[in-house]
Parts: sequence; structure tokens; C-alpha cells
Amino acid sequence: AQSVTQLGSHVSVSEGALVLLRCNYSSSVPPYLFWYVQYPNQGLQLLLKYTTGATLVKGINGFEAEFKKSETSFHLTKPSAHMSDAAEYFCAVSRTGSARQLTFGSGTQLTVLP
Amino acid sequence: GAGVSQSPSNKVTEKGKDVELRCDPISGHTALYWYRQSLGQGLEFLIYFQGNSAPDKSGLPSDRFSAERTGGSVSTLTIQRTQQEDSAVYLCASSQPAGVLLPEAFFGQGTRLTVV
Repeated sequence: AQSVTQLGSHVSVSEGALVLLRCNYSSSVPPYLFWYVQYPNQGLQLLLKYTTGATLVKGINGFEAEFKKSETSFHLTKPSAHMSDAAEYFCAVSRTGSARQLTFGSGTQLTVLP
Repeated sequence: GAGVSQSPSNKVTEKGKDVELRCDPISGHTALYWYRQSLGQGLEFLIYFQGNSAPDKSGLPSDRFSAERTGGSVSTLTIQRTQQEDSAVYLCASSQPAGVLLPEAFFGQGTRLTVV
């Protein structure tokens, strides 16, 4: 069984501040981990994914995430928030990497304050 | 098309009516997935197609839900005798054939279903 917990359904940061969105997972096997972003009235867009190898993963729009096995975490960060980053972010885990076995977290709504 | 297309974008229906939701995947993507996103909840997997067959229907919540795919392309999700708890955003995604290392799933913009 696998599950994903996103801490904080709403996060607000000031423009230019650090963005930190938290994700913890549970999985019976080494997981594949994903972050997706959903802008209003749009579908999900893949930000980044962890498969194997380097634990620090860089994605689009300046986001990155670090896989920490000991903490079962895959937190998403961005050094400096931009107004255009306001969206909902979903962390997901998959046993096999297949999209049919993705388990999503409940999402975190990011607000960027001017 | 350039991306995954879903129609309608919004649907309001009366309780007890049947609805059909359509998904046009990216050309060449043989894998297709339906998810449901309920208010305040994460995405819930419904069904997976590989070509025209559905090897995994484990997420369909009841026998009122069914889906088909024709020509290895367009898929239709049908909900019969809709209930208020069916209100949600229904997302479709497609990807390259299973077996390609970690094929990325591309999502459509979703159909927002409201049952009144």
C-alpha cells in the first residue's frame, strides 16, 4: 500500500520569499515520486519526478525537490516565489512509475502575496 | 491534438440523469487514465486503458460508472443515475505505451460535473 500526506492545505508566501511545500509518503517498495502543479481551469502539469539516482531533483520554473529516504519525504522548494507560482500543487507516489498506480496527496494551494 | 482535450468543460445535471464525459488523448498515446478530483480531496484513480481494453477498473466507485475507448483513441466515461456525491472534476490523462521507462502522463483540463 502507498499513501501521500501533504502538510498544509494552504500555504502563503510573500513574493521573493522561499517556497516550501511538504510531502511525506509511505510505500512498501522504493517509490517513484512526483510533483504536479495545477493552475486554475487547467490540467495537471508535471513539475518534476524522482526515479533513481540523484536525490535532488530539479524541475521546471525553478522548482526542486529532495528525496530523503530516512524521512520518507519529498519536499518541494523554490528559492524565490513569483506571483505566477500561485497554483495548487500535488505530490504523488507510484510503486512502478506507471500513471495508473499514482497515488496523489490532497494538494496544497499556494498563494503568493505581493 | 497538441494536448489532452476533455469535453464538456462544465456540466450541470439533475440527480438521476445519465452523463457522458469525453476525452481526446494525445495522438499516439495508447495509455489513457481517468481520475476524479473531489472538493478538498486529492485525485482518485478510476480506470486505466491500454489501447481499447481496460486492464484496471479497480477505481470505479460503483456499477453506475463505466468507460469505453474506441479506436485506441477517444474515451467516454459514463455515469448513470447521477448522485450528488458524483459532483467532482473528472480528469483524463494519456501517456506513451506502458513499457517505456516512466512515461509521463499528460492531463487534460478536466470536466467539472455538478449534480443538483
